[in-house]
Amino acid sequence: GDSVTQMEGPVTLSEEACLTINCTYTATGYPSLFWYVQYPGEGLQLLLKATKADDKGSNKGFEATYRKETTSFHLEKGSVQVSDSAVYFCALSDEEAGSYQLTFGKGTKLSVIP
Amino acid sequence: DTGVSQDPRHKITKRGQNVTFRCDPISEHNRLYWYRQTLGQGPEFLTYFQNEAQLEKSRLLSDRFSAERPKGSFSTLEIQRTEQGDSAMYLCASSLDSTGSSYGYTFGSGTRLTVV
Repeated sequence: GDSVTQMEGPVTLSEEACLTINCTYTATGYPSLFWYVQYPGEGLQLLLKATKADDKGSNKGFEATYRKETTSFHLEKGSVQVSDSAVYFCALSDEEAGSYQLTFGKGTKLSVIP
Repeated sequence: DTGVSQDPRHKITKRGQNVTFRCDPISEHNRLYWYRQTLGQGPEFLTYFQNEAQLEKSRLLSDRFSAERPKGSFSTLEIQRTEQGDSAMYLCASSLDSTGSSYGYTFGSGTRLTVV
């Protein structure tokens, strides 16, 4: 079945440091890829998405590129802020395979210190 | 549009009791999903409705779990004879089937169940 593997956390960075959270996937079809963010006490929010190979999703300074050859969708940000502290989830949906569910990774907790 | 609402926010129940959760999706959304999230894990898919029809169910949804979406509006998730392993955050999400995609998922804040 489909699966998502993302780097273990927690990750602690100083403000203005560079961030990379690795994400790789396995899927039977041609999935769409997502990054979701969960701020403390809040629900999951879509951060960015990509639907085909070489697409780059971006939002709030975060970017991720759909790499079909390496089955990866790594999340990057050049300069993190304290307000970016949250749990980040990589996910995929494989609707081409007839499923409308999202398959999530385990999440990576990011803490940014001033 | 007030987003996806879930009720209650927290529920503590004794083992063996039945519990029911409610989800009110965004009004124009015709798709509704239930997920379960345990500590340190990502959300796991439970079931999916398109309008009132339940179209997909995970093997995680044992016989003790039942979900309904009467009239294609709000949904309920019932757990019978709760077990300690049912303790988790239960998330609801909705989307609009305009493109047949998952792009437009909106999640609720969840119901946290604790079985003691």
